[in-house]
Order: sequence, then structure tokens, then C-alpha cells
Amino acid sequence: EPEVTQTPSHQVTQMGQEVILRCVPISNHLYFYWYRQILGQKVEFLVSFYNNEISEKSEIFDDQFSVERPDGSNFTLKIRSTKLEDSAMYFCASTGAGPYEQYFGPGTRLTVT
Amino acid sequence: ELKVEQNPLFLSMQEGKNYTIYCNYSTTSDRLYWYRQDPGKSLESLFVLLSNGAVKQEGRLMASLDTKARLSTLHITAAVHDLSATYFCAVDYGGSQGNLIFGKGTKLSVKP
Repeated sequence: EPEVTQTPSHQVTQMGQEVILRCVPISNHLYFYWYRQILGQKVEFLVSFYNNEISEKSEIFDDQFSVERPDGSNFTLKIRSTKLEDSAMYFCASTGAGPYEQYFGPGTRLTVT
Repeated sequence: ELKVEQNPLFLSMQEGKNYTIYCNYSTTSDRLYWYRQDPGKSLESLFVLLSNGAVKQEGRLMASLDTKARLSTLHITAAVHDLSATYFCAVDYGGSQGNLIFGKGTKLSVKP
């Protein structure tokens, strides 16, 4: 069964460093999303991406964040200068022709020290 | 701003008992989702409810949607330990992109 994959599974970085989180959505999906979940809290929407551009972004997704689909398979989230409060689990999701059921990847745990 | 509220946030049940988790949301939406999350794991899709009156069942779980009341319920029948997890409802933010707004989750613990 096709699935969304994410790498790395855990990333530790120092405050102020840049990180890139990688996702490979399901191959025929068209809509891509990033969410984050701070430990023990709810899942929060960050950004949606369709047709090679950002469709919508939340207040969390400020100028420190960017997304890219550099080729036909990868979907990346970059955080330019990480802060302690960026520590969270980051989930990538994708969905097909109708933006309905979203399939989530296993997540990347980002720890900023 | 769309708000999604779940209750209860914590639920400790005995095996064999029934219970219902409630999900209220603040603005009109016709699409509601239930996800399960095990500790340290990703989100597993349980149900997609796309219209008023929708009811779906899978094993011991049944979900329903009342768009007029802006309410969805997740009913657990004869709980078993394997159902212990955190359950999230999520509502489509609107527009065409399907961005989801999640509730805080209900942490379910089923004890023998």
C-alpha cells in the first residue's frame, strides 16, 4: 500500500541553524501539507501546497519557514533559523484529486537545543 | 476563526464498556475526520465524514456527523485494550485546499 515517507525520523539541531525536513508524498497525490505537533499538544496546520505553489499558510508559518517541491517526488520544509519553540514533531501529509482524506507520514521529531 | 473542541480530553474506561467522544466545531464545514494516534506514532485515518447525517462504522468504533449542530461523535462499543490511543477529530478549514484544524485530542485508556 502506498504511503507517505519522511526523513529524517529525528533531527537534533542547535538554535539558529537551518534545517530541512524531507517528505515523499504518495506518488499520484496532488495536495501536500505540513503540520506540526508540539509534544502532548494538538496537531497544527502549517501550510498547504498545490500546483507548485503555496495555497494557504497559518500564522505559525512565518518568514523563517519555506516549502519546496524540488523534483517530482520530494516535498521539503525548511526552517531558516531554528528557535527552541520549533521543537516539535513535523508531519507531512498528502491527498489525491479531491482534497479529502489526508494520509500522514510517520513524522520527523525536531529537537532544537 | 474555526475552533474545534473535543471532550473529554482524557477518558479511562474498563474493557467491555461503551462510551462516546464528542467533537464540536464553530463554523460551517461539511467535512470531518477522525484520526487515531498511538504514542510516538503518526496519525492513522479512521473515518472521513462528508455530509450531514453521515454514519460510518469500523469494528467497535462508529462515527457520525450532524452538520446542523456542528457536532460529530465517535462511539466506542465494548472497549478493548487495543483501542487505547489518542483520538483526534479534525475539520476542514474551508476553501478547496482541505487544510485541517484539529481538536486537542481525547486520550483513551482502556483498562482490563
